[in-house]
Amino acid sequence: DQQVKQNSPSLSVQEGRISILNCDYTNSMFDYFLWYKKYPAEGPTFLISISSIKDKNEDGRFTVFLNKSAKHLSLHIVPSQPGDSAVYFCAASAGSQGNLIFGKGTKLSVKP
Amino acid sequence: DTEVTQTPKHLVMGMTNKKSLKCEQHMGHRAMYWYKQKAKKPPELMFVYSYEKLSINESVPSRFSPECPNSSLLNLHLHALQPEDSALYLCASSQGGWGVDYEQFFGPGTRLTVL
Repeated sequence: DQQVKQNSPSLSVQEGRISILNCDYTNSMFDYFLWYKKYPAEGPTFLISISSIKDKNEDGRFTVFLNKSAKHLSLHIVPSQPGDSAVYFCAASAGSQGNLIFGKGTKLSVKP
Repeated sequence: DTEVTQTPKHLVMGMTNKKSLKCEQHMGHRAMYWYKQKAKKPPELMFVYSYEKLSINESVPSRFSPECPNSSLLNLHLHALQPEDSALYLCASSQGGWGVDYEQFFGPGTRLTVL
C-alpha cells in the first residue's frame, strides 16, 4: 500500500513557466513533508520542506503548499529553468517514527 | 564541510566477493542512514544509526552488514550478494538523532553491480 503517491511519472514545461508537481498521501499521522530533487547517478538533494502546522513554505523560486484536509501537497517552481530538469521526490514523515516515506518520483523536463 | 561523501562511486563484485561501502560526514550529524535505490524507484530505507547505535534494521538480509565505527563514519559490508542486489546505495545523515530532525542529506551514492 503506497502511503505517498506521485501520480504523474513525468511533466514537461516550457522555460520561464510554472512547474507544479503534485503529491498525495494517505497516512494522517504524517506531520512533515519534504521535496527532494535527483539528477541521474547522484543522490537526492533536499529542496524544501513543510510542517503540518503550516500550509505554505517559500524558498526563492520554490514554494510548497500543503492541503491537510485533502492530504495533498504540491511543489511550485517559478520560473522554471532548464537546470530544474530532474526527478522530484516527495517524502513524508510521521512524528517520532522519523522514517522518510518516498513517493515514486516525477520526472520534470524544462524545455528552453 | 557540508556534504555527505561516499566511496567508491562504482563497484562491481562477484557473488563470492566481500566488499565494503563507506560513507562519511563531518557536519556533526548524529543519525546516519543506508538506503537502496533500484532504477526508477524511490529510495528504500535499509538501516538507521542514531548516536552510533543501530536503531532501525528494515528486515535487510544478513548479507548486508552495517557498521558505525564513529559518529562521522558509516560502513556497509557486503558478502555473498545476489545479482538482484545491484542498485544505487545511498547514505544520508540528519542533524539530530533518529526521529528528531526530518531533513536528511544524501551522499552521491555507490552504484553497485553484482555479477
